[in-house]
Amino acid sequence: NAGVMQNPRHLVRRRGQEARLRCSPMKGHSHVYWYRQLPEEGLKFMVYLQKENIIDESGMPKERFSAEFPKEGPSILRIQQVVRGDSAAYFCASSPEGGNQPQHFGDGTRLSIL
Amino acid sequence: SQELEQSPQSLIVQEGKNLTINCTSSKTLYGLYWYKQKYGEGLIFLMMLQKGGEEKSHEKITAKLDEKKQQSSLHITASQPSHAGIYLCGADYGWDDKIIFGKGTRLHILP
Repeated sequence: NAGVMQNPRHLVRRRGQEARLRCSPMKGHSHVYWYRQLPEEGLKFMVYLQKENIIDESGMPKERFSAEFPKEGPSILRIQQVVRGDSAAYFCASSPEGGNQPQHFGDGTRLSIL
Repeated sequence: SQELEQSPQSLIVQEGKNLTINCTSSKTLYGLYWYKQKYGEGLIFLMMLQKGGEEKSHEKITAKLDEKKQQSSLHITASQPSHAGIYLCGADYGWDDKIIFGKGTRLHILP
């Protein structure tokens, strides 16, 4: 019974490159959330998606960041033209339909920008 | 200012001792989550509290949400090395589905 699967676990990119982070929710979960954890800071909400829909992207930077959760396949968080400040741990969480359901987290992707 | 304050920021406890971590919200909570994060790993869901005065336990960990639903405490009895890690409280304010996290409490257990 797999939990939330994120890959890769570690990703190294040079400034200006693109980073793609993947998240497969737990079986039966249709809600996906992305959070970012900067060094010495708490987890910050980025975006909340359901299949083929972005529900809340209030925590996403306006430029270079995008997220999708297609009908088939994992959710993707995409960062274009990465900069040093994008270095962080990116966590994905999922929850099932219905209110008052806890979010279950993956192990995260640690992004390092050279 | 921070919506959710956790205290203490870090805690060093002798194995076998009890300890308490607090989480205070500046606004009324719809729900409160407790997670544990081991260094360099993901978050493990511990408990979710919704009703004022609610108390839940899991093994040696007990969490309570106060009647006014603005503060929660997490209590560990007879701490063990396996309890070491970062404890995060997360707030659900009810108007959306995101969790607002505190900055965490780093717990170290001395053998």
